[in-house]
Amino acid sequence: DAGVIQSPRHEVTEMGQEVTLRCKPISGHNSLFWYRQTMMRGLELLIYFNNNVPIDDSGMPEDRFSAKMPNASFSTLKIQPSEPRDSAVYFCASSLESGGAKNIQYFGAGTRLSVL
Amino acid sequence: QQPVQSPQAVILREGEDAVINCSSSKALYSVHWYRQKHGEAPVFLMILLKGGEQKGHEKISASFNEKKQQSSLYLTASQLSYSGTYFCGTEFLIQGAQKLVFGQGTRLTINP
Repeated sequence: DAGVIQSPRHEVTEMGQEVTLRCKPISGHNSLFWYRQTMMRGLELLIYFNNNVPIDDSGMPEDRFSAKMPNASFSTLKIQPSEPRDSAVYFCASSLESGGAKNIQYFGAGTRLSVL
Repeated sequence: QQPVQSPQAVILREGEDAVINCSSSKALYSVHWYRQKHGEAPVFLMILLKGGEQKGHEKISASFNEKKQQSSLYLTASQLSYSGTYFCGTEFLIQGAQKLVFGQGTRLTINP
């Protein structure tokens, strides 16, 4: 299996622009997670999906952030408008299920976002 | 909700041992351990599901004291390849769903 695939790997944009991050989970995995990692805040869970349905979005910073999972093999995280404080590495991860022994999460390589 | 890891950073010489601790204020279903090397994604090491359980992975093992809501990661005879940041993830029940929350991480540096 190719693992979790994220694109783009790097994104540089200007403040106010829309940013879309993409993720393809491992085939057969029913849960998908979006994380943000910064030096100050560590690894934060933004949102996760079970069977394409958003379950917990309490970590989404504000209305500028939105996430979708239109099907089992694709998810997007959108920031509109972007701000410099959104600069971070964004990881997508997937697991068989969202709890217990089947919640072993496999992370994608991440998207490094820089908002100027 | 975030578990507390200690120490925040450790510097060792190759062959020395280390212990990384993780504690939570919430009752836990499980504890997960991940390692992240610089510039890479976190990689799963092990999961502990039961109180008092111990698991091992090469020369890395871990324990989980469910009653104390604590877990410890043990690295024995450390190798250069063990360098990286170690994260514990604690899983607990919130609003009917299990949620995994990661600690701030412990940076481990192994010198030759």
